[in-house]
Amino acid sequence: EAQVTQNPRYLITVTGKKLTVTCSQNMNHEYMSWYRQDPGLGLRQIYYSMNVEVTDKGDVPEGYKVSRKEKRNFPLILESPSPNQTSLYFCASSLGGDEQFFGPGTRLTVL
Amino acid sequence: AQKITQTQPGMFVQEKEAVTLDCTYDTSDQSYGLFWYKQPSSGEMIFLIYQGSYDEQNATEGRYSLNFQKARKSANLVISASQLGDSAMYFCAMREGGVFSGGYNKLIFGAGTRLAVHP
Repeated sequence: EAQVTQNPRYLITVTGKKLTVTCSQNMNHEYMSWYRQDPGLGLRQIYYSMNVEVTDKGDVPEGYKVSRKEKRNFPLILESPSPNQTSLYFCASSLGGDEQFFGPGTRLTVL
Repeated sequence: AQKITQTQPGMFVQEKEAVTLDCTYDTSDQSYGLFWYKQPSSGEMIFLIYQGSYDEQNATEGRYSLNFQKARKSANLVISASQLGDSAMYFCAMREGGVFSGGYNKLIFGAGTRLAVHP
């Protein structure tokens, strides 16, 4: 089954404790992105990747890092999480153009 | 500058009736794509429909159709014969530009419209 998976689905952590949210897709897609969703703001892109070892900032990259060492994986790293990073996070992948496939989302709470 | 505007924070519709969710966009690109996604209370993002800027026909997918008015820069979603399961948040999104600008990888979302279908 074609899918994008994210782990963990739910995470409660404390300020400053490094964390990684994993994202994996099995569709051999070149393009992958991370978004965060906040009430009243819709989804905003954090980082994106056009292929292995090619990443770039989206609209809200501050406080986040990514890497793309393999085509299927695109982890999101929060080196020192803060409460303003409490949000719903989505990973997405696409072949290019018509549709982005979204993962199930990761609900992060930073205390 | 806000590029996707959804002016209806919330909408109500009676079951079996049609409903239109508004979306206007702003871009100077000639090549762009418009999307609608549904987000039920469970949280996942479900792709509904896509319209390319060069597509002359309005996109349709089952009970969903996209009323694309290019000159007015609007891309309204029409849901015909509403069902209780249509109750969800709906997002309009736009992809700007082409692959060489990285546009294929970025969607710009509106704030969403919450639709409630009443029996």
